[in-house]
Amino acid sequence: AQSVTQPDIHITVSEGASLELRCNYSYGATPYLFWYVQSPGQGLQLLLKYFSGDTLVQGIKGFEAEFKRSQSSFNLRKPSVHWSDAAEYFCAVGAGNTGRRALTFGSGTRLQVQP
Amino acid sequence: DTAVSQTPKYLVTQMGNDKSIKCEQNLGHDTMYWYKQDSKKFLKIMFSYNNKELIINETVPNRFSPKSPDKAHLNLHINSLELGDSAVYFCASSQVTGLYEKLFFGSGTQLSVL
Repeated sequence: AQSVTQPDIHITVSEGASLELRCNYSYGATPYLFWYVQSPGQGLQLLLKYFSGDTLVQGIKGFEAEFKRSQSSFNLRKPSVHWSDAAEYFCAVGAGNTGRRALTFGSGTRLQVQP
Repeated sequence: DTAVSQTPKYLVTQMGNDKSIKCEQNLGHDTMYWYKQDSKKFLKIMFSYNNKELIINETVPNRFSPKSPDKAHLNLHINSLELGDSAVYFCASSQVTGLYEKLFFGSGTQLSVL
């Protein structure tokens, strides 16, 4: 069965600083990997996804993530954080062999941005 | 227009009661889901329906019964509510493009069982 680990429950960065959120996955085949963002009181919004090709993927709002098979990681990065980036971030892996690709989510990382 | 809408947004009820949460999507998607997010923010799939047929049913107590009258609606009925049912429940619908499935989430229903 697939699983996702986000080691950091809570991260605080200063506005304008760079950001990296960690995600490690466990999956037997080539994974489908996703990052979602959840703003307070809102549902989840897709930031970016990876399922093949270039291992560095670009997403919305200036985010990018790099798939590293050797490390089973899919870390999310942003060069310069804005106050509006404060939210909960979820990494997810897709179960491509079920025929319905149900996602398994990590437990999330809460990002706080200091002025 | 809200793509995936769920009602109510907040639901406070007593243990033992029966309650329903409704979900509607206007995106024309064939697949809909219910996810449960617990107090630690862990998000876990409960059910998935494709064209009104149940295709995923994770280990969920049978007090939870999804109902899909048509592919635009997926309601969740919960019988005999327990304290442990307190969570945020998210409805989602999905679009499959090639190998990639994109989920669209509702804004959640916060259920508090007292």
